[in-house]
Amino acid sequence: GAVVSQHPSRVICKSGTSVKIECRSLDFQATTMFWYRQFPKQSLMLMATSNEGSKATYEQGVEKDKFLINHASLTLSTLTVTSAHPEDSSFYICSAWGGGSGSTDTQYFGPGTRLTVL
Amino acid sequence: KQEVTQIPAALSVPEGENLVLNCSFTDSAIYNLQWFRQDPGKGLTSLLLIQSSQREQTSGRLNASLDKSSGRSTLYIAASQPGDSATYLCAVREDSSYKLIFGSGTRLLVRP
Repeated sequence: GAVVSQHPSRVICKSGTSVKIECRSLDFQATTMFWYRQFPKQSLMLMATSNEGSKATYEQGVEKDKFLINHASLTLSTLTVTSAHPEDSSFYICSAWGGGSGSTDTQYFGPGTRLTVL
Repeated sequence: KQEVTQIPAALSVPEGENLVLNCSFTDSAIYNLQWFRQDPGKGLTSLLLIQSSQREQTSGRLNASLDKSSGRSTLYIAASQPGDSATYLCAVREDSSYKLIFGSGTRLLVRP
């Protein structure tokens, strides 16, 4: 099946710094990529939807100036957490959708990035 | 606004038991429903995807059913094994959007 990678898998940073997380579709072109956030023992909450070459669409309550998303190519999207604070500590997961249909009409998820802000 | 609920939140069973996980959604206008598995600290693995026109899907020991009109889906796991221990998430995709709306998951522990 389709493979989505994320880098880094784990990052620890000091409060006030910015952190960039990459999401790559390795063997297919991703028309759309999604960024989710997951707190411990909770479900995934969609943060934003990004389409290649256009601005991301953010969900209600998500600060677009804090969570910068760039979808520069059909295989790469980046999420930058600017001026990170301890409350931003979470598990960030991306997914990619290749625009298929039927059984391939699904999002493929990356392995996640654990962000810890000290 | 679509809401997805999963019951139970946690489940512990001895190895070999057959079990059922439940998922309900409030708006029946869905495009498809998907069941995922998530191991601790890991991403999601898709298990089964059911289109809105389908009633069920099967893969190995897993069987997922969909009753769109009543807003329910079940995931049946036959002859459970310790390796099945994980969190199981269901998610619906609505007609008008590519977005997935997730339930809060069921944490399953299969005891040897």
